[in-house]
Amino acid sequence: GDSVTQMEGPVTLSEEAFLTINCTYTATGYPSLFWYVQYPGEGLQLLLKATKADDKGSNKGFEATYRKETTSFHLEKGSVQVSDSAVYFCALSDQGNAGKSTFGDGTTLTVKP
Amino acid sequence: EAGVAQSPRYKIIEKRQSVAFWCNPISGHATLYWYQQILGQGPKLLIQFQNNGVVDDSQLPKDRFSAERLKGVDSTLKIQPAKLEDSAVYLCASRRDFKSYNEQFFGPGTRLTVL
Repeated sequence: GDSVTQMEGPVTLSEEAFLTINCTYTATGYPSLFWYVQYPGEGLQLLLKATKADDKGSNKGFEATYRKETTSFHLEKGSVQVSDSAVYFCALSDQGNAGKSTFGDGTTLTVKP
Repeated sequence: EAGVAQSPRYKIIEKRQSVAFWCNPISGHATLYWYQQILGQGPKLLIQFQNNGVVDDSQLPKDRFSAERLKGVDSTLKIQPAKLEDSAVYLCASRRDFKSYNEQFFGPGTRLTVL
């Protein structure tokens, strides 16, 4: 079945540091890929997405590129802020399976001033 | 537009008791999901509805969990009887349709504690 593997956390960075959170996936078809974010005390919300190979999703300074050859969708940001502290979830949605979604276990990011 | 509504937000019960959760999706969203999120893990799909029909319930523990979506709008998830390992956050999400490129919108979740 489908699966998503995220780098283990937690991740602690200083403000303005470079962020990478690794995500790899296994899927039988051609899934759409997503990053969702959960800020403290809030529900999950979409951060960015990519729907086909080589697409780049971007939002709020975050980027991720759909790499079919390495089955990866790593999240990056050039300069993190304290307000980016949250839990980040990588997910895929399988069109061949009625859009069923599979989530990674999340990576907790803490940014210190 | 209004977001996904869930109630209650918190529930504490003793093992072997029953509990029910309610979800109201975004208006017009045909697809509705229930997820279980255990602390430190990602959401795990329990059941997916398309309108009022079940698309996937392969990971729903059917001996104790049940869900319905009457009239293709609101949904309820029930646990009877509850076990200690059911302690988790139960998330409801909706999507315009089941097309994989559309995002899901999540409710705030119901935090269940089973004592």
